[in-house]
Amino acid sequence: NAGVMQNPRHLVRRRGQEARLRCSPMKGHSHVYWYRQLPEEGLKFMVYLQKENIIDESGMPKERFSAEFPKEGPSILRIQQVVRGDSAAYFCASSIATGTSSGNTIYFGEGSWLTVV
Amino acid sequence: AQTVTQSQPEMSVQEAETVTLSCTYDTSENNYYLFWYKQPPSRQMILVIRQEAYKQQNATENRFSVNFQKAAKSFSLKISDSQLGDTAMYFCAFMKTGANNLFFGTGTRLTVIP
Repeated sequence: NAGVMQNPRHLVRRRGQEARLRCSPMKGHSHVYWYRQLPEEGLKFMVYLQKENIIDESGMPKERFSAEFPKEGPSILRIQQVVRGDSAAYFCASSIATGTSSGNTIYFGEGSWLTVV
Repeated sequence: AQTVTQSQPEMSVQEAETVTLSCTYDTSENNYYLFWYKQPPSRQMILVIRQEAYKQQNATENRFSVNFQKAAKSFSLKISDSQLGDTAMYFCAFMKTGANNLFFGTGTRLTVIP
């Protein structure tokens, strides 16, 4: 049973370019989350999506960042016009559902490491 | 707002010994979940153990166990018979029941010494 799959694992972008990070949730999971980890810090919630819907984007920066989870295909986190401060690890996670007897357990992917030069 | 505090930035333990990592949290919620995640040098986030706040019994997973003190809002992780593969960052995390995001502490870097 494949886990949460993220790609690319490592991405280098020049300032001003766009970064696209992809995430396929675990089989059977319909809820996707994106978290960001800055160096030497814990993970910070960015956005929570279900298929074709953004449920909670309270942790997303207001500009340049967007996320989607289309009906078909992986979830995409898109960062436009990247700046050095965007350099971080971006983790995708998935769960079966919230508020279920499974207890909201969230499983993480291996992360995508963005470096802006 | 929920906050999670890990007051030990770094810890070390001899192989085969036992170590306890501390975590406290602040919330006004009564129903929630607590988690410990491990992040080894590969940097993958791996779920170690989970605790439901409504359960009084402490969760246990093989060599990993927790000491959950709800009144004190404390959730420590005990690792018994430490192994070299336990070397990692350990993050404590909180989630309100029915919510959709985890709040993480800043982590404790554990080194197991051979």
